[in-house]
Amino acid sequence: KAGVTQTPRYLIKTRGQQVTLSCSPISGHRSVSWYQQTPGQGLQFLFEYFSETQRNKGNFPGRFSGRQFSNSRSEMNVSTLELGDSALYLCASSMTGHEQYFGPGTRLTVT
Amino acid sequence: KQEVTQIPAALSVPEGENLVLNCSFTDSAIYNLQWFRQDPGKGLTSLLLIQSSQREQTSGRLNASLDKSSGRSTLYIAASQPGDSATYLCAVGTNAGGTSYGKLTFGQGTILTVHP
Repeated sequence: KAGVTQTPRYLIKTRGQQVTLSCSPISGHRSVSWYQQTPGQGLQFLFEYFSETQRNKGNFPGRFSGRQFSNSRSEMNVSTLELGDSALYLCASSMTGHEQYFGPGTRLTVT
Repeated sequence: KQEVTQIPAALSVPEGENLVLNCSFTDSAIYNLQWFRQDPGKGLTSLLLIQSSQREQTSGRLNASLDKSSGRSTLYIAASQPGDSATYLCAVGTNAGGTSYGKLTFGQGTILTVHP
């Protein structure tokens, strides 16, 4: 069974630009969650999608948004990038309430 | 608001030692608790999942316990090996009306180094 995949793996953007990251969950998993990991703040929850609906949202500004498609694949978008958005973005998939499986992450660098 | 604390922040041990990593959380209304390992620059690998109704889980040399009432979990690693060197993260899924809605609250992690 294939694991969670994330694309791209690395990304360099300039302040003010926007970026879209993609996550393909494990087959059969309908829940996809996104996390941001930075050295200072650790791992922080961004949002969770289930059956194309956002069910939960963390404490991040509106510049961070996401969506989920009918095949459970998910994208997250960050608009008007700031230097502080540089981080490892991780997505995780699960069957609701069960073990979460993480992808390898997308390393975003904002210059 | 759920807060998760891991002690110690870093641990260095010789190969072969048994060791214990600690995790504490402030809100006992949890849905489940999961232990992960993370290698530098990589994603998270799930080690053990404990549902709120369980007291412990075992996988190979790993054993995790959960005491919901006291807000504590421990990860026991037996006969440590250099390949166990990594950051270990504890994450709590808070119970929100019977589901966790996918949200895990993470501790800051314990950096483990096992030297030969």
